[in-house]
Amino acid sequence: DIQMTQSPSSLSASVGDRVTITCRASQSISSYLNWYQQKPGKAPKLLIYAASSLQSGVPSRFSGSGSGTDFTLTISSLQPEDFATYYCQQSYSTLSITFGQGTRLEIK
Amino acid sequence: QVQLQESGPGLVKPSETLSLTCTVSGGSISSYYWSWIRQPAGKGLEWIGRIYTSGSTNYNPSLKSRVTMSVDTSKNQFSLKLSSVTAADTAVYYCAREREDGYNYIDYWGQGTLVTVSS
Repeated sequence: DIQMTQSPSSLSASVGDRVTITCRASQSISSYLNWYQQKPGKAPKLLIYAASSLQSGVPSRFSGSGSGTDFTLTISSLQPEDFATYYCQQSYSTLSITFGQGTRLEIK
Repeated sequence: QVQLQESGPGLVKPSETLSLTCTVSGGSISSYYWSWIRQPAGKGLEWIGRIYTSGSTNYNPSLKSRVTMSVDTSKNQFSLKLSSVTAADTAVYYCAREREDGYNYIDYWGQGTLVTVSS
């Protein structure tokens, strides 16, 4: 299996801050990397696919970058509704997709 | 707007088989991959497996020996069976649509259903 490691595991930030979350794959996955946002009691929501493509309807303050093994999700200016848990997910190995352990973004 | 809804027992006894069904509305089930993902309380997401509308499947290697998925295109439904369950299988189970257009990604999720394994 391809292992996905996110950092940090948790993060405290304030409204208006610029935030970056990192995801590292245990082997090269090209650009087969997706990002999801999950709020308590809710299903995850797709934010970014193919490393940098913004899903329809997702605010432009969210952006993704990277290829190979290292990827980042950036929120340019945190809004109150952005406090949630974020997961990366690799789809390079379509026989067995895997998620990162999650990054919890909390209000400072 | 595509919607997915999980259904099935919320309580399963240890050693028995967990069975869930996902009903897809607002769109055809054809020509997509359909996945099951679970999440134990307070923990991360674990992909269980996927089924294509042709019936071909891929399962998480760690669960493969206990998982069976099926699809009923006439009812716009797909199903999960997980055998020999233990307390470690207690989780919220999500069904989801996986889109493949050169890149694979999950674009629609059900609301999730909590399944508790307990006697």
